[in-house]
Amino acid sequence: EDKVVQSPLSLVVHEGDTVTLNCSYEVTNFRSLLWYKQEKKAPTFLFMLTSSGIEKKSGRLSSILDKKELFSILNITATQTGDSAVYLCAVDGGAQKLVFGQGTRLTINP
Amino acid sequence: EPEVTQTPSHQVTQMGQEVILRCVPISNHLYFYWYRQILGQKVEFLVSFYNNEISEKSEIFDDQFSVERPDGSNFTLKIRSTKLEDSAMYFCASSFSRISYNSPLHFGNGTRLTVT
Repeated sequence: EDKVVQSPLSLVVHEGDTVTLNCSYEVTNFRSLLWYKQEKKAPTFLFMLTSSGIEKKSGRLSSILDKKELFSILNITATQTGDSAVYLCAVDGGAQKLVFGQGTRLTINP
Repeated sequence: EPEVTQTPSHQVTQMGQEVILRCVPISNHLYFYWYRQILGQKVEFLVSFYNNEISEKSEIFDDQFSVERPDGSNFTLKIRSTKLEDSAMYFCASSFSRISYNSPLHFGNGTRLTVT
């Protein structure tokens, strides 16, 4: 059974800090890994990663995939209070469905 | 930016009743999905739908559940004979193409279903 594990489950930092969120996976037929940000309601898409070692970047957020070690990290630099959210990692195992991790709840204190 | 819309935002129903959750996917998207998230738990896949038929479903998606695309814009999830454990946030999502073709899912804001 495909499995996605995120760590830490919860993280509290001060505004301006840099954070690294982790996602490891066990998937039989890996196709891609996706990161989503969930504030109050809808998960909103951040990144889709398919190739190892290629960093994807959007403003202060970046993410990279390691297909050999089966993990991905999401980095957020110079955090702001608006970055407070649950960050979800999900994997596409080729069956037209995403398997989600339990999420990391990130809280940014001013 | 186009978005997935879901109605209602909150639905309260009594155990044993039937509910229909409605979704309008992004207009040029071809693949449609339902996921659910029980409070405090992971987002779980229910079903994917393409070309007017189910392409994949989870063990959760048993005979109690059904999906339909009744017209060119709506996508519905019907839950028959609701149980207390069906209480959850139900998310609709859509994608332009298969996920593996670099086509991420876009989610709606969800319908919070409360079964009493």
